[in-house]
Amino acid sequence: KAGVTQTPRYLIKTRGQQVTLSCSPISGHRSVSWYQQTPGQGLQFLFEYFSETQRNKGNFPGRFSGRQFSNSRSEMNVSTLELGDSALYLCASSGGGTSDTQYFGPGTRLTVL
Amino acid sequence: DQQVKQNSPSLSVQEGRISILNCDYTNSMFDYFLWYKKYPAEGPTFLISISSIKDKNEDGRFTVFLNKSAKHLSLHIVPSQPGDSAVYFCAARASGGYNKLIFGAGTRLAVHP
Repeated sequence: KAGVTQTPRYLIKTRGQQVTLSCSPISGHRSVSWYQQTPGQGLQFLFEYFSETQRNKGNFPGRFSGRQFSNSRSEMNVSTLELGDSALYLCASSGGGTSDTQYFGPGTRLTVL
Repeated sequence: DQQVKQNSPSLSVQEGRISILNCDYTNSMFDYFLWYKKYPAEGPTFLISISSIKDKNEDGRFTVFLNKSAKHLSLHIVPSQPGDSAVYFCAARASGGYNKLIFGAGTRLAVHP
């Protein structure tokens, strides 16, 4: 089975712009979660989508949003980028059950200048 | 408020010996725990997990121990190999939290010949 894929792998934006990141889960997985990794805050949960519905959300401002499509692919959007949004954004997929393991993609490295 | 703590930022072990990575948590609602390994510029790779109804789980060279009364878990790697050198993250999920994982800050393991 192919793993979780994320595009693009690297992205450079300037302050004030917006960005969209994409995640394709493992085939058959219905849950997609997004995480942000920074040197200062570590790995932090952004939100989770299951069957096109957001069912959990972390403590991030409304500039961070996401959606999931009927094929379980997910996108994450960050509007009005700030320097502090520079991070590795990771997507993880799972079957969606409470004991299902989450498998991570390679991440998208976002740099905001 | 750090709900999952990995107090040792780094650990150095000789090849063939045991590596013990520790993790403490504060939230009594956590009922599922996972360990991930991460190389630079890659997503975390799942290693092993344990449910709160168990106190031990083994998978090859990896064993995770859970002490609920102490709110402490540990990952044992025996024998350690140079390829195990990576950053190890402990993660926890709360009952009813779906796939929201709370991560520790990570421990960098170096296994030297």
